[in-house]
Amino acid sequence: AQKVTQAQTEISVVEKEDVTLDCVYETRDTTYYLFWYKQPPSGELVFLIRRNSFDEQNEISGRYSWNFQKSTSSFNFTITASQVVDSAVYFCALSEAGVNNDMRFGAGTRLTVKP
Amino acid sequence: GAVVSQHPSWVICKSGTSVKIECRSLDFQATTMFWYRQFPKQSLMLMATSNEGSKATYEQGVEKDKFLINHASLTLSTLTVTSAHPEDSSFYICSAREWSYGYTFGSGTRLTVV
Repeated sequence: AQKVTQAQTEISVVEKEDVTLDCVYETRDTTYYLFWYKQPPSGELVFLIRRNSFDEQNEISGRYSWNFQKSTSSFNFTITASQVVDSAVYFCALSEAGVNNDMRFGAGTRLTVKP
Repeated sequence: GAVVSQHPSWVICKSGTSVKIECRSLDFQATTMFWYRQFPKQSLMLMATSNEGSKATYEQGVEKDKFLINHASLTLSTLTVTSAHPEDSSFYICSAREWSYGYTFGSGTRLTVV
């Protein structure tokens, strides 16, 4: 079964700093999908990105960027010029291609951005 | 876009009673639905996977007689917490999967058992 590791439990930065959230995954499948979600205090999951295993291109969306490296089984997430509104718990997740394609989450990283 | 409606958003119930949580895909047919549980300051843990018209597949350690899942149609799955106890207090969130939309999550249900 797949496994996702987010080693950083909590990160605290000051506004305008850049911050990188790490994600390392394990899977035996050659076809899989990686995700990042943001969970604000309300609890609702906010979808940020999905990347399939055949697309190693890095992606940038505004202040957000993602670095996918199959060689190190990592899918890291960087927030540039962080803002207080970025404070939340961020989850990395993985689903394997298969019958049910269930999604497994990492432990999450709690990001606090201080003014 | 795909929307999943989950109700109720929060519920308080007495110990020993049962609570039903609904998860409905509003504008697509979900081939598979997933139920997760999240305790405070922890991650989302998959409880079970259900396909329409068949029995749910439960993760190890999840009591299938306590957490009853019904997926009677392609747009509706329900989770019933039977004989709830305070330790069942948690945040429950569903996810529906459809090939073109991928995964769509409900807004979650915060259950408090008193």
